[in-house]
Amino acid sequence: DIQMTQSPPSLSASVGDRVTITCRASQSISRKLNWYQQKPGKAPKLLIYAASSLQSGVPSRFSGSGSGADFTLTINSLQPEDFATYYCQQSYSPWWTFGQGTKVEIK
Amino acid sequence: EVQLVESGGGLEKPGGSLRLSCAASGFTFSNAWMSWVRQAPGKGLEWVGRIKSKTDGGTTEYAAPVKGRFTISRDDSKNTLYLQMNNLKTEDTAVYYCTTDGLVVGATLDYWGQGTLVTVSS
Repeated sequence: DIQMTQSPPSLSASVGDRVTITCRASQSISRKLNWYQQKPGKAPKLLIYAASSLQSGVPSRFSGSGSGADFTLTINSLQPEDFATYYCQQSYSPWWTFGQGTKVEIK
Repeated sequence: EVQLVESGGGLEKPGGSLRLSCAASGFTFSNAWMSWVRQAPGKGLEWVGRIKSKTDGGTTEYAAPVKGRFTISRDDSKNTLYLQMNNLKTEDTAVYYCTTDGLVVGATLDYWGQGTLVTVSS
């Protein structure tokens, strides 16, 4: 299985901050990388697909980059509704795997 | 509007069986690939497995921890997805989500149900 490692596991930030979350795959996965947002008690929501494409309806302050094994999710000007847990997920192999998540908390 | 509604969760003893259902609406279910994803309490997301559409072979794929114990099936006449879970273990305790697998956006889990909780405990 392809292992996905996110960092940091958690972070504290203030409204208006720029936040960066990284995701590393155990092998090259081209650009087969998706990002999801999950709020407490809710199902995850697709944010970004194919490393950098924004899902319909997702605010443009979210962006993704990377290819190969290293990827980044950036949130520009963090908003109150962005406090959540973010997961990366690879779709390179048929057996999909997620990172362990990054919890973004209010400072 | 795409809707996925899971049911069938509950408390089961180790070694027991449980069948989850997912009622789908708002899209052509028979054409859709579907997946199950689970989340243990306080933990991250884990992909469980998928079933392809019958036109794409109807085949299934499973994550290693559940292979041989779990079976995904579908009834396209009822727009319903199933997850048959046998020989349950305590580590199968989780919220189980039904998801579409690339319905609109290829190679993503693009729509999710609200989840159903499975607790495996003696």
